[in-house]
Amino acid sequence: GESVGLHLPTLSVQEGDNSIINCAYSNSASDYFIWYKQESGKGPQFIIDIRSNMDKRQGQRVTVLLNKTVKHLSLQIAATQPGDSAVYFCAEKAGGSYIPTFGRGTSLIVHP
Amino acid sequence: DVKVTQSSRYLVKRTGEKVFLECVQDMDHENMFWYRQDPGLGLRLIYFSYDVKMKEKGDIPEGYSVSREKKERFSLILESASTNQTSMYLCASRNRGDNQPQHFGDGTRLSIL
Repeated sequence: GESVGLHLPTLSVQEGDNSIINCAYSNSASDYFIWYKQESGKGPQFIIDIRSNMDKRQGQRVTVLLNKTVKHLSLQIAATQPGDSAVYFCAEKAGGSYIPTFGRGTSLIVHP
Repeated sequence: DVKVTQSSRYLVKRTGEKVFLECVQDMDHENMFWYRQDPGLGLRLIYFSYDVKMKEKGDIPEGYSVSREKKERFSLILESASTNQTSMYLCASRNRGDNQPQHFGDGTRLSIL
């Protein structure tokens, strides 16, 4: 079947390397940001989120950095594993809205 | 863990048929959403519901309708299926409150012949 990863920016890394996936957001009113992982044939899976009153948040092997000055969000994955291969989406949401705006995604390919 | 269940992973229907896609969530979430996902176009919002019996149009509601009679269930209806509605359909739910993420089901890949 068709892959959601078609036509997307691609990041290729070696197993064990650290990965950095970047996202530029557009709405200066956005105050909540989310990263999702989507594996082939599955729905997007919530990874980590961050509010605009923070500039860094850490999870298990993942770190999200937020730079509101330049409207930039990044997801860092430490010691990348083959199981991390997927499409990663960022999403931004303004306060009071039900609806996030999703980025187009980046395809991460991890080579053993 | 939040569980969002879509009734079918794969579905094949014919042009002109009325098609029902079902979604159930088990976390008592107020808000539910239907998206379609197409290569190169990303996630596009069809409809959402912020509470039982409430519904709002998203960005591409034409050719679709929805039903939310119970809090846990959100149905997407293709009134008369057309080939351009062949797509991956994703349901999501979220708790109320500003800083709550959406949680997605695994999708229904719908083919209209």
